Amino acid sequence: DGGITQSPKYLFRKEGQNVTLSCEQNLNHDAMYWYRQDPGQGLRLIYYSQIVNDFQKGDIAEGYSVSREKKESFPLTVTSAQKNPTAFYLCASSIDRKFPYEQYFGPGTRLTVT
Amino acid sequence: AQKITQTQPGMFVQEKEAVTLDCTYDTSDPSYGLFWYKQPSSGEMIFLIYQGSYDQQNATEGRYSLNFQKARKSANLVISASQLGDSAMYFCAMREGGYSSASKIIFGSGTRLSIRP
Repeated sequence: DGGITQSPKYLFRKEGQNVTLSCEQNLNHDAMYWYRQDPGQGLRLIYYSQIVNDFQKGDIAEGYSVSREKKESFPLTVTSAQKNPTAFYLCASSIDRKFPYEQYFGPGTRLTVT
Repeated sequence: AQKITQTQPGMFVQEKEAVTLDCTYDTSDPSYGLFWYKQPSSGEMIFLIYQGSYDQQNATEGRYSLNFQKARKSANLVISASQLGDSAMYFCAMREGGYSSASKIIFGSGTRLSIRP
């Protein structure tokens, strides 16, 4: 079955530690995205990548870093510089050259930093 | 400035009634696309329907239809014959740009829909 996997579903970390969230897709999609969602809020774009070895900052990139070494994988690192890291993180992918480019989402990772 | 506005933070609707979720958008790009997503309490985002700025007819997908009023910059989602399983958060989203590339999608703040039995 094709889809997007994010692991783990729940993640707990101590303040001051970096943490990496996994996102893998087997849909052969070119573009991948990371969003942050706070309780009762919409999605805000952190980073996106339209091709391997290339990525762009979204609206709230500060305190986060990404890599795109393989087409299937787009891990997100939440660094200690991120002031309020506790949130729900969603990864998505889309076919870059197939209109209308709707995004397919993973199940999300709920990160709690104390 | 807000590019996607959803003015209804929450709505309650009786089962089997139709419901309209409002969405207005702001863009100066003549080429854009509008999406609606559903987010159940489990958290995953489910793509529902798409409307392109040049589409002549309103999009429909089963019980979902999009009431696209270009001059008013509105793209309301209509759910006919609502079901208990329709209870969820609903997000309106917009992609600017034409057919050549998959530019980023901007999401609204969402509307929480609750269906009463």
